[in-house]
Amino acid sequence: QQQVKQSPQSLIVQKGGISIINCAYENTAFDYFPWYQQFPGKGPALLIAIRPDVSEKKEGRFTISFNKSAKQFSLHIMDSQPGDSATYFCAASPGYSSASKIIFGSGTRLSIRP
Amino acid sequence: DTGVSQDPRHKITKRGQNVTFRCDPISEHNRLYWYRQTLGQGPEFLTYFQNEAQLEKSRLLSDRFSAERPKGSFSTLEIQRTEQGDSAMYLCASSRPGGEYGYTFGSGTRLTVV
Repeated sequence: QQQVKQSPQSLIVQKGGISIINCAYENTAFDYFPWYQQFPGKGPALLIAIRPDVSEKKEGRFTISFNKSAKQFSLHIMDSQPGDSATYFCAASPGYSSASKIIFGSGTRLSIRP
Repeated sequence: DTGVSQDPRHKITKRGQNVTFRCDPISEHNRLYWYRQTLGQGPEFLTYFQNEAQLEKSRLLSDRFSAERPKGSFSTLEIQRTEQGDSAMYLCASSRPGGEYGYTFGSGTRLTVV
């Protein structure tokens, strides 16, 4: 069920740097692309989401870039902080308005070095 | 909004035993989802309910798994004749009608089959 491919598997970034996580999808029926953040012992929490009719969405230090023709999207974390150390999952869903099931990538473990 | 509650947080069981997990969603959320997450992987979809109706089941959900959501409130996930391969984190999530708010996940039930 590898419909959303995520890379890298792990990432180490210095404090203040930019963290970049990439995802690619195959199913052109996907029309909702959320990112989730998960801390150890907790469930994933929605971080930011985008629809394919826009190429970029920014919320604070977090930005999603979306390339519909390439079927790729990425998460950029600006001015990365130690508190951002977590596992990040990209995801996709075929039904934005109907809250259809969300399919997750395999995750990126991000570590921010102080 | 008290969040999604899952019980128990941890369960250790012997192979062959039956186990049942409970999920209490956010009260105004009419959709409820069950996912399974193994170490180092993203959550995998198992099943979801809209109110009390079970609308979709993954092929991952073998005949040993059953889920219910009586009266469209809390949900239970039962695993019969547990196997070591069932060891995982079982996550429950709920959402409002419409997908723009994403899912709210609980903290999960970690199952260990020995």
